[in-house]
Formats: sequence, structure tokens, C-alpha cells
Amino acid sequence: DAMVIQNPRYQVTQFGKPVTLSCSQTLNHNVMYWYQQKSSQAPKLLFHYYDKDFNNEADTPDNFQSRRPNTSFCFLDIRSPGLGDAAMYLCATSQTRTGGFQPQHFGDGTRLSIL
Amino acid sequence: LAKTTQPISMDSYEGQEVNITCSHNNIATNDYITWYQQFPSQGPRFIIQGYKTKVTNEVASLFIPADRKSSTLSLPRVSLSDTAVYYCLVDDGELTGGGNKLTFGTGTQLKVEL
Repeated sequence: DAMVIQNPRYQVTQFGKPVTLSCSQTLNHNVMYWYQQKSSQAPKLLFHYYDKDFNNEADTPDNFQSRRPNTSFCFLDIRSPGLGDAAMYLCATSQTRTGGFQPQHFGDGTRLSIL
Repeated sequence: LAKTTQPISMDSYEGQEVNITCSHNNIATNDYITWYQQFPSQGPRFIIQGYKTKVTNEVASLFIPADRKSSTLSLPRVSLSDTAVYYCLVDDGELTGGGNKLTFGTGTQLKVEL
């Protein structure tokens, strides 16, 4: 019954070697988000898609990119991972509803380690 | 930008009621108050949301006073499995192009013991 699925759960990459994390959803939500959560810290929004429209947070490094080929899938690309990018990466979805509350549904994250 | 303040940690015992209070002095008129729960190595999970007064669901209750400058999450009869980090958030409003921005604070680490 998983609704937001992130693969893989654990990813190890080398310093500077590009890596892609994936997220899929069965909720058919129109908004998808990527968050970064470092150890013992709160999740921090990196960017989000509203349908196909990409919206970057002002302080998200250029090293982070994203793709959303269709409603169900969203990818996080880290072009040249540095040691400081080691973290849990969380994908979330929500459905836009005018004037109403929109709870976000999170996946269980991908824990990225950098060697 | 409304910010939240909540205790860093709380300890409790099984079967007790736990109340976690969150301060949000600068909450805006249109902001909702939302609580999420996060277990280790899992994503946050929505618990409850409210605007004013009291909201109750099968998991928790949320008490919001008239001035809305604080809120209290109440967990009845906690068990060991309720050990988690609890985040209080104030909805910052709609993001450009849709969606809503969640700004997570430090959260409260709740530890439940036998």
C-alpha cells in the first residue's frame, strides 16, 4: 500500500560522481517535493514541481537538479556530490486544493552516503 | 515568516497522556497549524491539522487557544511505538505555482519508556 516510493533506500556514491535518486507515487498528486534532511536536523525543502512546472528554492545549490517526466515519477540528480551532500533525501507529494489544507505525503527517503 | 518553538525533548511512560506545546507568536491569519511525526529512517507522517479551537482524530487531539499563538498536541495513552520526533509547523502559504511550503523547526524528540 506504499503511496510514495523511493528507490533505493540506501545509496553510496563516490565524491564527484553523479547520482540519481528516484521517487514514484500512486496518489496521482499534482505536486511533488524534494527535501534534504541531514543527521539530527529537520527536513529542508530543495524544490518542487507543480505538474511540469519546476520551482527551485532560492538557497538550493546548482549542484542539485530535478526531472519529472510524468505525474508519477520524479528524480533528484546530484551532479557532483560533495561530502556535505550526505543526507537523507525525502520525496513528498500533495494535491492542490483551492482554499484548503494540503497535507504532504512523504516517502521513507533515500539515505545517501559519499565516499 | 511564522516560526515555531517547541521543547527539544520529552520523556514519558507507557499509558500516560503526553502534551507537546508549540509556540508560534507570529502566525498569520491564513496559516494552519500542522503536526507531523517522524520515526528514525522514515519520512514524516501527517498527524493532525487545525486552525482554531480543538481538533480530534483517531491518533491525537490538537488544542488551539483563541489567540492562536500556541498549540498543544495531545497523545492519549502513549506506547513505546510513539517514540519519535514530533514537528509543529505553521503553513507558510502557497508556493509559486501551487503546493504549500512546510518549514520544519527543530521538532520534539519524544521518548516513551516502560
